[in-house]
Amino acid sequence: NAGVTQTPKFRVLKTGQSMTLLCAQDMNHEYMYWYRQDPGMGLRLIHYSVGEGTTAKGEVPDGYNVSRLKKQNFLLGLESAAPSQTSVYFCASGEQVETQYFGPGTRLLVL
Amino acid sequence: TQLLEQSPQFLSIQEGENLTVYCNSSSVFSSLQWYRQEPGEGPVLLVTVVTGGEVKKLKRLTFQFGDARKDSSLHITAAQPGDTGLYLCAGCPPYNNNDMRFGAGTRLTVKP
Repeated sequence: NAGVTQTPKFRVLKTGQSMTLLCAQDMNHEYMYWYRQDPGMGLRLIHYSVGEGTTAKGEVPDGYNVSRLKKQNFLLGLESAAPSQTSVYFCASGEQVETQYFGPGTRLLVL
Repeated sequence: TQLLEQSPQFLSIQEGENLTVYCNSSSVFSSLQWYRQEPGEGPVLLVTVVTGGEVKKLKRLTFQFGDARKDSSLHITAAQPGDTGLYLCAGCPPYNNNDMRFGAGTRLTVKP
């Protein structure tokens, strides 16, 4: 099992560009999450999904959109990237909210 | 202000020493989790504490959940360089049991 994988590993964007981060899990988990991690801030929840076809806002959802068309995939979109979105993005999945398995992260730099 | 406050923010000790890190909140949590994160990787779950006053042991790591379920501590006995990493506590606030919140973490360095 690959667990939780994230694509891409690293990306540089210019302000205003758009991109999609892909998260895939092969553990048949219902719950999936997108976080961002910034120095001194810990991880902050952007959006989450409790099952295929469902999404909900987390603590810091503004500027991001998500989709969960297939159970194994959770996509995070940035429609118009801003320098404030420079961060490390982590995806996680789990059978319940208390037990989350994290991917290796995507480093995003917005210039 | 963060829902979960962790202290200390940084901790550097020598191999063999004992240490305790703390996770505090003014809110009551149904459970708290502890994760460890190494550079360039995602966090890895260490333990979940559920019952007030609960103590869980994982080899040299001892986790305790406060009686009022507002705080937790992690004690490491005889720390080793392999314990180096960022220790994060996490939990869902009482108003949304899917909205996971993390503390900012304690960055531990254990020197040989």
